[in-house]
Parts: sequence; structure tokens; C-alpha cells
Amino acid sequence: ETGVTQSPTHLIKTRGQQVTLRCSSQSGHNTVSWYQQALGQGPQFIFQYYREEENGRGNFPPRFSGLQFPNYSSELNVNALELDDSALYLCASSPARSITDTQYFGPGTRLTVL
Amino acid sequence: AQRVTQPEKLLSVFKGAPVELKCNYSYSGSPELFWYVQYSRQRLQLLLRHISRESIKGFTADLNKGETSFHLKKPFAQEEDSAMYYCALAGGTSYGKLTFGQGTILTVHP
Repeated sequence: ETGVTQSPTHLIKTRGQQVTLRCSSQSGHNTVSWYQQALGQGPQFIFQYYREEENGRGNFPPRFSGLQFPNYSSELNVNALELDDSALYLCASSPARSITDTQYFGPGTRLTVL
Repeated sequence: AQRVTQPEKLLSVFKGAPVELKCNYSYSGSPELFWYVQYSRQRLQLLLRHISRESIKGFTADLNKGETSFHLKKPFAQEEDSAMYYCALAGGTSYGKLTFGQGTILTVHP
């Protein structure tokens, strides 16, 4: 069983650009969640997808969007990048969408916006 | 609204000493509480969760609904326990959305 993977590891963009981050969930995990972790803070929930449909969203603007695919991969898209979007982006997969499920985290993508 | 507070950003103890990492939460319903840990150069991983009522690596955590706390304890700290610890909450219809605290960096000195 392979773990959760994310790509790229690091990314540098300029303000106003668009970015796509990718995540590959553990096989068999139908739920993927995305988190933003600013420096010195705990992860903050962006949104969750279950079987390719958005299943909950945190306090993030619509320029943060996502997709989940049948092959257990998913994307986080951010449009019109702002300096404050600089952070570590984590994806986490879980088997179902129960609140008691363990979430398995990827290593993260470090996004820097200049 | 859900909120998790970890009042200590840094915590230092000596090997063999007891350690307690504090976590307080705010939630109106019945929450599920977790402790996640991140060791140096490793990814975030589950340490333990309230529903399992288990001890992992010597750590235990008891949910105190009256004090809305879920403190993490270990009677004898080891150097390999040095890590970042996050308390997290999931509740109600959140379908596994985790609300994290800011984290506590635990350093265990030899």
C-alpha cells in the first residue's frame, strides 16, 4: 500500500498567477481533504471531496477550487494568487467520510508567492 | 464554530520526566478529538484518537467534556518524543473536516 503523494514539492509563483497542486490518495480512499498551513500555524481546512464531489468547504474564497478524479488523484487550483497564499499545502486521504476516520497526510507542497 | 487552543507553543522537559501537552476545544456538540504528530522531516501522522481510548508510544489522552479539554500525557518522556504535536477536532456534519490547534513543539532533553 503506497502512501499519499503530492507534487510538486516546491513552487514559486508571482502575484496574480494561477497554480495547480496535485495529490495522489491511498488506493481505496474515497475522501480527500486539502489544508493550508501558514508558517507557525496549524493546518487550516480548505475543502473536502468525496467520490468526486465537494463535500464541505472552509473559510476560503472561490478562487480556491478543486477536483477529484476516479483514479484517487486530486487537484487544488488557486487563481489570482496573493502574497498571503504563500504556505504549505497538505492533502489528506481517508477511506470514507466519517468524522472518526484517520486522515493520512501527504508531505505537502510549499508554495511561495512573490 | 469549532476552535482548538493549544496554549503552549514550546514545551521542554528532560528525559524521564512527565509531560503534558494541553489542548482545549470549543464545540457545541459531541466532538471527536485527535492528536497528530510531526517528527522531524516526516509527514503529519495520527498519534491517537479519543474514540480508540488507547495508549500509543506511552501517550494517553482523556476527553474531559466538563473542562472541554483533551490533554496529551506521558509519564516518562523519551528523546524520540521530540516533535510538533497538534490537537485536532472533528464534529457533527463536518464529515471529517479537522480543525487544528496551532501546535506545540515538544523538546525532550537528554
